[in-house]
Amino acid sequence: AQSVAQPEDQVNVAEGNPLTVKCTYSVSGNPYLFWYVQYPNRGLQFLLKYITGDNLVKGSYGFEAEFNKSQTSFHLKKPSALVSDSALYFCAVRDRASGNTPLVFGKGTRLSVIA
Amino acid sequence: GAVVSQHPSWVICKSGTSVKIECRSLDFQATTMFWYRQFPKQSLMLMATSNEGSKATYEQGVEKDKFLINHASLTLSTLTVTSAHPEDSSFYICSARDRRYEQYFGPGTRLTVT
Repeated sequence: AQSVAQPEDQVNVAEGNPLTVKCTYSVSGNPYLFWYVQYPNRGLQFLLKYITGDNLVKGSYGFEAEFNKSQTSFHLKKPSALVSDSALYFCAVRDRASGNTPLVFGKGTRLSVIA
Repeated sequence: GAVVSQHPSWVICKSGTSVKIECRSLDFQATTMFWYRQFPKQSLMLMATSNEGSKATYEQGVEKDKFLINHASLTLSTLTVTSAHPEDSSFYICSARDRRYEQYFGPGTRLTVT
Protein backbone atom coordinates (compact mmCIF):
# COMPACT_ATOMS: atom_id res chain seq x y z
CA ALA A 1 0.00 0.00 0.00
CA GLN A 2 1.08 3.55 -0.68
CA SER A 3 0.94 6.32 1.90
CA VAL A 4 2.18 9.83 2.49
CA ALA A 5 2.75 11.61 5.77
CA GLN A 6 2.93 15.36 6.17
CA PRO A 7 3.71 15.72 9.86
CA GLU A 8 2.97 19.43 10.13
CA ASP A 9 -0.56 20.83 9.83
CA GLN A 10 0.79 24.38 9.77
CA VAL A 11 4.12 26.01 9.00
CA ASN A 12 4.74 29.66 9.74
CA VAL A 13 7.69 31.52 8.31
CA ALA A 14 8.72 35.15 7.98
CA GLU A 15 8.93 36.64 4.52
CA GLY A 16 12.44 36.35 3.13
CA ASN A 17 13.33 33.39 5.32
CA PRO A 18 13.85 29.88 3.94
CA LEU A 19 10.93 27.49 4.21
CA THR A 20 10.65 23.73 4.45
CA VAL A 21 7.48 21.64 4.23
CA LYS A 22 8.07 18.04 5.24
CA CYS A 23 6.89 14.87 3.52
CA THR A 24 7.67 11.22 4.05
CA TYR A 25 6.29 8.37 1.99
CA SER A 26 5.82 4.65 1.90
CA VAL A 27 5.63 2.50 -1.23
CA SER A 28 6.49 -1.09 -1.91
CA GLY A 29 8.70 -0.27 -4.86
CA ASN A 30 10.27 2.90 -6.24
CA PRO A 31 8.25 6.10 -5.91
CA TYR A 32 7.01 8.81 -8.16
CA LEU A 33 6.73 11.86 -5.88
CA PHE A 34 4.85 15.10 -6.43
CA TRP A 35 4.16 18.41 -4.76
CA TYR A 36 1.02 20.42 -5.42
CA VAL A 37 -0.19 23.77 -4.11
CA GLN A 38 -3.80 24.76 -3.55
CA TYR A 39 -5.15 28.27 -3.08
CA PRO A 40 -8.59 28.84 -1.47
CA ASN A 41 -11.47 27.45 -3.54
CA ARG A 42 -9.10 26.47 -6.31
CA GLY A 43 -7.88 23.18 -7.72
CA LEU A 44 -4.40 21.77 -7.42
CA GLN A 45 -1.46 23.40 -9.12
CA PHE A 46 1.50 21.21 -9.96
CA LEU A 47 4.80 22.39 -8.46
CA LEU A 48 7.31 19.65 -9.15
CA LYS A 49 7.87 15.94 -9.36
CA TYR A 50 10.58 13.35 -8.85
CA ILE A 51 10.67 10.44 -11.27
CA THR A 52 14.30 9.41 -11.41
CA GLY A 53 17.76 10.96 -11.71
CA ASP A 54 18.98 13.88 -9.62
CA ASN A 55 17.71 13.83 -6.08
CA LEU A 56 17.26 17.61 -6.08
CA VAL A 57 14.29 18.61 -8.19
CA LYS A 58 13.56 22.20 -9.14
CA GLY A 59 10.03 23.29 -9.85
CA SER A 60 7.74 26.25 -10.30
CA TYR A 61 7.89 29.57 -8.42
CA GLY A 62 11.38 28.90 -7.03
CA PHE A 63 10.44 25.76 -5.14
CA GLU A 64 12.62 22.70 -4.98
CA ALA A 65 12.48 19.34 -3.26
CA GLU A 66 15.06 16.76 -2.32
CA PHE A 67 14.44 13.06 -2.65
CA ASN A 68 16.09 11.07 0.11
CA LYS A 69 15.65 7.37 -0.39
CA SER A 70 17.22 6.27 2.89
CA GLN A 71 14.91 8.55 4.87
CA THR A 72 11.96 8.02 2.48
CA SER A 73 11.49 11.76 2.42
CA PHE A 74 10.71 14.40 -0.18
CA HIS A 75 10.74 17.74 1.65
CA LEU A 76 9.70 20.89 -0.20
CA LYS A 77 11.98 23.89 0.14
CA LYS A 78 12.36 27.47 -0.96
CA PRO A 79 15.33 29.70 -0.13
CA SER A 80 13.31 32.88 0.40
CA ALA A 81 9.60 32.80 1.19
CA LEU A 82 7.07 35.27 -0.23
CA VAL A 83 3.74 36.27 1.29
CA SER A 84 2.12 35.01 -1.91
CA ASP A 85 3.44 31.51 -1.13
CA SER A 86 0.84 31.26 1.65
CA ALA A 87 -1.37 28.32 0.64
CA LEU A 88 -2.09 24.65 1.25
CA TYR A 89 0.61 22.25 0.07
CA PHE A 90 0.11 18.58 -0.73
CA CYS A 91 2.68 15.86 -1.19
CA ALA A 92 1.63 12.85 -3.27
CA VAL A 93 3.12 9.51 -4.21
CA ARG A 94 2.59 6.67 -6.62
CA ASP A 95 4.50 3.43 -6.88
CA ARG A 96 6.46 3.58 -10.13
CA ALA A 97 5.59 -0.01 -10.93
CA SER A 98 1.85 0.48 -10.40
CA GLY A 99 0.90 2.38 -13.51
CA ASN A 100 -2.82 1.99 -12.95
CA THR A 101 -3.02 3.38 -9.46
CA PRO A 102 -3.91 7.00 -8.73
CA LEU A 103 -1.85 9.40 -6.72
CA VAL A 104 -2.16 9.13 -2.97
CA PHE A 105 -2.07 12.44 -1.11
CA GLY A 106 -0.86 13.54 2.27
CA LYS A 107 -3.24 15.48 4.49
CA GLY A 108 -1.72 18.78 3.49
CA THR A 109 0.32 21.46 5.23
CA ARG A 110 -0.87 25.02 5.47
CA LEU A 111 1.96 27.46 4.89
CA SER A 112 1.64 30.95 6.25
CA VAL A 113 4.27 33.51 5.26
CA ILE A 114 4.20 36.58 7.45
CA ALA A 115 5.33 39.95 6.18
CA GLY B 1 0.64 21.76 -20.84
CA ALA B 2 -2.33 19.48 -20.43
CA VAL B 3 -5.52 21.19 -19.29
CA VAL B 4 -8.46 19.72 -17.43
CA SER B 5 -11.66 21.71 -17.05
CA GLN B 6 -14.61 21.27 -14.73
CA HIS B 7 -18.08 22.64 -15.03
CA PRO B 8 -19.67 24.17 -13.09
CA SER B 9 -17.10 25.71 -10.80
CA TRP B 10 -19.74 26.48 -8.17
CA VAL B 11 -23.24 25.08 -7.74
CA ILE B 12 -25.94 25.47 -5.13
CA CYS B 13 -28.84 23.04 -5.14
CA LYS B 14 -31.75 22.10 -2.94
CA SER B 15 -31.80 18.96 -0.88
CA GLY B 16 -33.25 16.04 -2.84
CA THR B 17 -32.22 17.24 -6.27
CA SER B 18 -29.46 15.86 -8.46
CA VAL B 19 -26.39 17.69 -9.69
CA LYS B 20 -24.11 16.80 -12.59
CA ILE B 21 -20.45 17.85 -12.69
CA GLU B 22 -18.48 17.60 -15.92
CA CYS B 23 -14.78 16.96 -16.26
CA ARG B 24 -13.06 17.41 -19.60
CA SER B 25 -9.52 16.90 -20.80
CA LEU B 26 -9.10 19.70 -23.30
CA ASP B 27 -5.98 18.81 -25.22
CA PHE B 28 -5.32 15.16 -24.56
CA GLN B 29 -7.12 11.86 -24.35
CA ALA B 30 -7.68 10.59 -20.85
CA THR B 31 -7.71 6.85 -20.60
CA THR B 32 -8.54 7.12 -16.93
CA MET B 33 -10.22 9.76 -14.84
CA PHE B 34 -10.38 10.05 -11.07
CA TRP B 35 -12.85 11.83 -8.84
CA TYR B 36 -11.71 13.20 -5.50
CA ARG B 37 -13.63 14.84 -2.70
CA GLN B 38 -12.14 17.39 -0.35
CA PHE B 39 -13.67 18.51 2.92
CA PRO B 40 -12.65 21.87 4.40
CA LYS B 41 -9.05 21.92 5.56
CA GLN B 42 -8.63 18.27 4.70
CA SER B 43 -6.85 16.27 2.06
CA LEU B 44 -8.19 14.88 -1.18
CA MET B 45 -9.99 11.58 -0.76
CA LEU B 46 -10.28 9.39 -3.82
CA MET B 47 -13.90 8.53 -4.54
CA ALA B 48 -13.69 6.52 -7.73
CA THR B 49 -11.67 5.63 -10.78
CA SER B 50 -13.26 5.50 -14.20
CA ASN B 51 -11.92 4.09 -17.44
CA GLU B 52 -13.43 5.09 -20.75
CA GLY B 53 -16.21 2.76 -21.77
CA SER B 54 -16.35 0.74 -18.58
CA LYS B 55 -17.93 0.98 -15.15
CA ALA B 56 -16.27 3.06 -12.49
CA THR B 57 -14.46 1.47 -9.58
CA TYR B 58 -15.50 3.02 -6.29
CA GLU B 59 -13.43 3.30 -3.15
CA GLN B 60 -14.64 1.65 0.02
CA GLY B 61 -17.38 3.64 1.69
CA VAL B 62 -18.44 5.56 -1.43
CA GLU B 63 -22.03 4.88 -2.47
CA LYS B 64 -22.05 4.07 -6.17
CA ASP B 65 -25.79 4.64 -6.46
CA LYS B 66 -25.44 8.09 -5.00
CA PHE B 67 -22.37 9.19 -6.92
CA LEU B 68 -22.94 8.13 -10.51
CA ILE B 69 -19.91 8.30 -12.73
CA ASN B 70 -20.00 8.09 -16.49
CA HIS B 71 -16.87 8.10 -18.64
CA ALA B 72 -18.47 8.27 -22.06
CA SER B 73 -15.47 9.35 -24.09
CA LEU B 74 -11.72 9.81 -23.82
CA THR B 75 -12.22 13.48 -23.00
CA LEU B 76 -15.30 13.56 -20.79
CA SER B 77 -16.30 12.13 -17.45
CA THR B 78 -19.33 13.16 -15.41
CA LEU B 79 -20.13 12.83 -11.74
CA THR B 80 -23.80 13.01 -10.81
CA VAL B 81 -24.69 13.47 -7.15
CA THR B 82 -28.18 12.01 -6.86
CA SER B 83 -30.71 13.06 -4.24
CA ALA B 84 -28.22 15.45 -2.75
CA HIS B 85 -28.19 16.16 0.97
CA PRO B 86 -26.39 18.88 2.93
CA GLU B 87 -23.70 16.38 3.97
CA ASP B 88 -22.79 16.01 0.28
CA SER B 89 -21.65 19.62 0.29
CA SER B 90 -17.98 19.53 -0.54
CA PHE B 91 -15.29 20.44 -3.04
CA TYR B 92 -15.10 17.89 -5.84
CA ILE B 93 -11.94 17.65 -7.94
CA CYS B 94 -11.48 15.52 -11.02
CA SER B 95 -8.21 14.32 -12.43
CA ALA B 96 -7.42 12.97 -15.87
CA ARG B 97 -4.55 10.66 -16.70
CA ASP B 98 -2.98 10.44 -20.10
CA ARG B 99 -1.38 7.46 -21.79
CA ARG B 100 1.95 8.17 -20.10
CA TYR B 101 0.24 7.89 -16.70
CA GLU B 102 0.68 11.61 -16.03
CA GLN B 103 -2.19 12.85 -13.85
CA TYR B 104 -3.65 16.34 -14.35
CA PHE B 105 -6.19 18.05 -12.10
CA GLY B 106 -9.24 20.14 -12.77
CA PRO B 107 -9.95 23.40 -10.91
CA GLY B 108 -12.61 21.83 -8.73
CA THR B 109 -16.36 22.26 -8.21
CA ARG B 110 -17.80 23.65 -5.00
CA LEU B 111 -21.15 21.98 -4.26
CA THR B 112 -23.44 23.46 -1.63
CA VAL B 113 -26.66 21.64 -0.82
CA THR B 114 -29.25 23.67 1.07
